[in-house]
Amino acid sequence: QVQLQESGPGLVKPSQTLSLSCTVSGGSISSGGYYWSWIRQHPGKGLEWIGYIYNSGSTYYNPSLKSRVTISVDTSENQFSLKLSSVTAADTAVYYCARDVQRGGLDYWGQGTLVTVSS
Amino acid sequence: DIQMTQSPSSVSASVGDRVTITCRASQDIGSWLAWYQQKPGKVPKLLIYAAASLHSGVPSRFSGRKSGTDFTLTISSLQPEDFATYYCQQANTFPLTFGGGTKVEIK
Repeated sequence: QVQLQESGPGLVKPSQTLSLSCTVSGGSISSGGYYWSWIRQHPGKGLEWIGYIYNSGSTYYNPSLKSRVTISVDTSENQFSLKLSSVTAADTAVYYCARDVQRGGLDYWGQGTLVTVSS
Repeated sequence: DIQMTQSPSSVSASVGDRVTITCRASQDIGSWLAWYQQKPGKVPKLLIYAAASLHSGVPSRFSGRKSGTDFTLTISSLQPEDFATYYCQQANTFPLTFGGGTKVEIK
């Protein structure tokens, strides 16, 4: 059973960089066939896809966030990471990592982590 | 980006009712559509992928259908545990995009 677990600070100051990691267990990121994705959900709102990374290191970011987003992978640790720079209060959200089955939907999700941007 | 329009935004229904939710894509996405269920404070759960394929472990009262660029999620007989918010998501083109959600409430 694949499991994903987000980790990182729950509070980030405005203008700083939000950094989260997602550790995958029960399966290898290196095995290929999946896009490892980040999604966020503003409080009481819908879902917004942030971007993905493939095991090769190729990425795709949502154009709405592209200038501020970096997703990286560490196959030795079986984890992938999100960095979002120059955050504002509008970036306060629950951040999820998830596995994308290449057109088959997001089948495994982390439990989500609330990140609040506040001074 | 492909826009996904869900309707209705909310629906009130009783246990045992048949409930249908619709999602329309702003352009052709083939059959690459997924449906998710999310309960308050919980993680979204994949219900259906490729418009009509049931994800492992999902009860058979959930079904999906495609008609052109319109997609429907039907719950054939609503159960107490089905009261939740449902989202569609197009999986054809990046960036992935979601519908605004449909909240299924108790009547």
